Amino acid sequence: DTEVTQTPKHLVMGMTNKKSLKCEQHMGHRAMYWYKQKAKKPPELMFVYSYEKLSINESVPSRFSPECPNSSLLNLHLHALQPEDSALYLCASSQERAFQETQYFGPGTRLLVL
Amino acid sequence: AQSVTQLGSHVSVSEGALVLLRCNYSSSVPPYLFWYVQYPNQGLQLLLKYTSAATLVKGINGFEAEFKKSETSFHLTKPSAHMSDAAEYFCAVRNTGNQFYFGTGTSLTVIP
Repeated sequence: DTEVTQTPKHLVMGMTNKKSLKCEQHMGHRAMYWYKQKAKKPPELMFVYSYEKLSINESVPSRFSPECPNSSLLNLHLHALQPEDSALYLCASSQERAFQETQYFGPGTRLLVL
Repeated sequence: AQSVTQLGSHVSVSEGALVLLRCNYSSSVPPYLFWYVQYPNQGLQLLLKYTSAATLVKGINGFEAEFKKSETSFHLTKPSAHMSDAAEYFCAVRNTGNQFYFGTGTSLTVIP
């Protein structure tokens, strides 16, 4: 099983809402990533968890809050987002330390902030 | 800083023609190099990766790439394009400092 799943597939939220994105993998990977991707652009790294600890935070605004409850799950909590935060949010995982191995990507959550 | 440059943000080829997508990296030390593909409304899928073993790397779906240190290049090729190859292609690099960068991407259109 080389699958990373993400829910929901689509999300529309207002600027005052609180929502969460969920990512799950059952490959035994110990590094998990959140990326943000705007249309026709490459993914931009947001956060990296390595062995369930936050190891990289690419100066992401605090309205994005990651959480890694266990080695299979990664959440991204969203609060008071802005319209410019509308994008495709991709989750990825890799076997051991961050970036050492191939990253496997989920299908993404397409977020629209109104 | 380590980076990759993808020449040509859009490439169009006829069905059955050679596909050539260009990627150059900037480094004095050979890094790890990757090609990912992203089909419309999907996540990224690894096509192939170079990890300092063979310089000619074969990937999935008939794609291959050759690492050329003298040219600091890692171009992606496929002998015969299929309609299903239409997608966005990203070159990426991981350097010795364990930093990871995507290129800006190349959109491939296949003309029937």
